[in-house]
Amino acid sequence: NAGVTQTPKFRILKIGQSMTLQCTQDMNHNYMYWYRQDPGMGLKLIYYSVGAGITDKGEVPNGYNVSRSTTEDFPLRLELAAPSQTSVYFCASATSGREDTQYFGPGTRLTVL
Amino acid sequence: GNSVTQMEGPVTLSEEAFLTINCTYTATGYPSLFWYVQYPGEGLQLLLKATKADDKGSNKGFEATYRKETTSFHLEKGSVQVSDSAVYFCALSSRPGRRALTFGSGTRLQVQP
Repeated sequence: NAGVTQTPKFRILKIGQSMTLQCTQDMNHNYMYWYRQDPGMGLKLIYYSVGAGITDKGEVPNGYNVSRSTTEDFPLRLELAAPSQTSVYFCASATSGREDTQYFGPGTRLTVL
Repeated sequence: GNSVTQMEGPVTLSEEAFLTINCTYTATGYPSLFWYVQYPGEGLQLLLKATKADDKGSNKGFEATYRKETTSFHLEKGSVQVSDSAVYFCALSSRPGRRALTFGSGTRLQVQP
């Protein structure tokens, strides 16, 4: 049982490049989330999904896109990378029952130069 | 909207000292409250949680009580260890709905031997 896994761990992008951050969970959770953590700050919600085929915007969705074709996977796409997207990105998942604890992946550290 | 306010850090203590990290919140409805811990270079781990008023969450010697009348969820530990050095995040989960976490800005704890 690996929990929530994220790849890559680190990435450096040039301005204008694009990439996909991968997130997979093996706990059969319906809810999945993408957060970003800027230095010295708490986490902010980018996008979330309440099940396969259903996604919605969080607080800071501009410059990102997501898809949820399976229960397990929730990739985050960055188009036209900008320096403001330099951050650490965390994926998390949770069940749809009363237990609303979120389980986090180890994070992806992204630098845009 | 929902918000979480934590005391500014860093907090520097000697080993075996008493720890309090203050957390207050603003929320609609009846949120669940959480403390997450982030060790250097790692993702967030759930430390403890409380799901209704007057509940006390506890784990690894840490405690926090859900106080609806003061909208607070202060984290306490009677005797800290060097291994407790980390960043601590207070968070709330909105229910019902998307159940995304709203985080405080985090408090860095440094414990000196």
